[in-house]
Amino acid sequence: AQSVTQPDIHITVSEGASLELRCNYSYGATPYLFWYVQSPGQGLQLLLKYFSGDTLVQGIKGFEAEFKRSQSSFNLRKPSVHWSDAAEYFCAVGNSNYQLIWGAGTKLIIKP
Amino acid sequence: DTGVSQNPRHKITKRGQNVTFRCDPISEHNRLYWYRQTLGQGPEFLTYFQNEAQLEKSRLLSDRFSAERPKGSFSTLEIQRTEQGDSAMYLCASSLAHANEKLFFGSGTQLSVL
Repeated sequence: AQSVTQPDIHITVSEGASLELRCNYSYGATPYLFWYVQSPGQGLQLLLKYFSGDTLVQGIKGFEAEFKRSQSSFNLRKPSVHWSDAAEYFCAVGNSNYQLIWGAGTKLIIKP
Repeated sequence: DTGVSQNPRHKITKRGQNVTFRCDPISEHNRLYWYRQTLGQGPEFLTYFQNEAQLEKSRLLSDRFSAERPKGSFSTLEIQRTEQGDSAMYLCASSLAHANEKLFFGSGTQLSVL
């Protein structure tokens, strides 16, 4: 069955510390991979996407993600988080940009 | 570019009533999408339009749900005879009509069915 797992419901990180959010997927073929961020009262915003090519993709706001086919993972990273990064982060996979299988999200909490 | 606008932001209704939500996409975007999101979950695709044509509809979409985009600009999503299970955030997104174009999401309409 096709699925996306974000194993961490919440993650708490100190401001300035590094961040890694995990995403594992089960999909029949090599999927398109996405990370979205959702802040309270705001719409989902695309951080980055992977379709093909270089497996390390750079996104907006200093985020990057690495596609590891052997591990069926697409983890999101940021070297130094800012208080404004507090939000909910969603990983999604699919064969188009709109028909996606979404993870349940990881809520990021930033400690001052 | 004012982004994707959705109205109302919140809707509380009684079970059995009909509700209608509106989405105004980014003006030059040909494609418009509707999603539903429940607490603790990612969005679930409902349907999408290219201009005024409804090109795809989720098999999970009950026949109580109908969406229109009559002039290829704004869209409405109507839910007839609402049920408590319809309580969710309804999200609209729009994009240009190129394959895999980036989606821009609105802030959503939060529906509560009592």
